[in-house]
Amino acid sequence: QVRLVESGGGVVQPGKSLRLSCAASGFSFHNYGMHWVRQSPGKGLEWLAVIWHDGSKEFYAESVKGRFTVSRDNSKKTLNLQMNNLRVDDTGVYYCARGMGAGYHLQVYNWGRGAAVNVSS
Amino acid sequence: QSVLTQPPSVSAAPGQRVTISCSGGTSNIGDNFVSWYQQLPGTAPQVVIYDDDKRPPGVRDRFSASKSGTSATLDITGLQTGDEAEYFCGTWDTSLSVWLFGGGTKVTVL
Repeated sequence: QVRLVESGGGVVQPGKSLRLSCAASGFSFHNYGMHWVRQSPGKGLEWLAVIWHDGSKEFYAESVKGRFTVSRDNSKKTLNLQMNNLRVDDTGVYYCARGMGAGYHLQVYNWGRGAAVNVSS
Repeated sequence: QSVLTQPPSVSAAPGQRVTISCSGGTSNIGDNFVSWYQQLPGTAPQVVIYDDDKRPPGVRDRFSASKSGTSATLDITGLQTGDEAEYFCGTWDTSLSVWLFGGGTKVTVL
């Protein structure tokens, strides 16, 4: 079955960087667009970024554009999120999620369990 | 303030029905499929509806959804205590090139 496992979370100071990874298994990773979604404590879901199945397109939420970069390695079935210049309001649980297919088949479908990021001085 | 508008909360007694609305616009709900997600306390979200009205394997037929124009609706019938959760709608916005989530609706079983 589809499995998505996030790693790389932790405590980081404001202004620093952190890289999250998501290991995918149970499906043909190279055939699916992938998303990052976060949830701040006690808040709703905030979509962050999507990357096309082949890495040819990336789209970002305004709140992270220019600071976060999504990437993927289809040979390793891994999704990454490089987060730079972190702010206190970037604190939350970060979810890796699979879309429904290639290209614009973007509906967020399967979710990982999430990785906690705490930006604090 | 979310582009997709959901009521903050709905409630009903066990066995009753609740309806959750999700209101958007022509570039999002009006132009793309809508999904619905259930988030039980302390867990990751999971999809309960995709492609406007389709249920993934394992999701009970007590969950149903529809879409009309720029609004979508999730219905939960035969409400059970295990349905207490936050529910989010989601869709792509063609003009903004972003995925949107509604603000979420907390379902309480009285």
